[in-house]
Amino acid sequence: EIVLTQSPGTLSLSPGERATLSCRASQSVSSSYLAWYQQKPGQAPRLLIYGASTRATGIPDRFSGSGSGTDFTLTISRLEPEDFAVYYCQHYGSPSITFGQGTRLEIK
Amino acid sequence: QVQLQESGPGLVKPSETLSLTCAVSGYSISSGYYWGWIRQPPGKGLEWIGSIYHSGSTYYNPSLKSRVTISVDTSKNQFSLKLSSVTAADTAVYYCARIRFGEFGIFDYWGQGTLVTVSS
Repeated sequence: EIVLTQSPGTLSLSPGERATLSCRASQSVSSSYLAWYQQKPGQAPRLLIYGASTRATGIPDRFSGSGSGTDFTLTISRLEPEDFAVYYCQHYGSPSITFGQGTRLEIK
Repeated sequence: QVQLQESGPGLVKPSETLSLTCAVSGYSISSGYYWGWIRQPPGKGLEWIGSIYHSGSTYYNPSLKSRVTISVDTSKNQFSLKLSSVTAADTAVYYCARIRFGEFGIFDYWGQGTLVTVSS
């Protein structure tokens, strides 16, 4: 099973700033089967990125994903007030599905 | 627009079986895709429980496999989760979702989630 470790645990930034969130895998993720989700309080997670860098339908272009192998990054270029939430990375592909523990993005 | 809605008891006693159903609208389960369950203990992260295809093929998280059964009812366009021998550690919000890219894929449509508390 691939273990995903996200850092930092909490990120404090101001609207307009750039956010960089990290997700490190315990072993190489084949074919970049890495996804990112955003979750706001009381809501279900929302798919942002899959295939490490492909934005899901309707996701603004200020969200971008990059990386390969064991190191992946979610970047939010200019934070909007609605972007403050918890972000999870997810490994997919045989033989299991695992999630990182999450990064909380809070308003500074 | 694909919509999913979980339903079931919000309170289950320890050692009993948790049972939830996910009703799907806006898409026929028989048309394809895998469908799955994910849970989230209060204040914690996400855990994949398992996936099912309309044919009935299932895949489970190894850590829960001995206690989990997922089934599908294509005539009602819904699928279900049973988790046996529950303990307080099974208290969580349970989500159902549609899965893209196979049984171990990504979750592109989610239900709103339902909180299940295990307590006597």
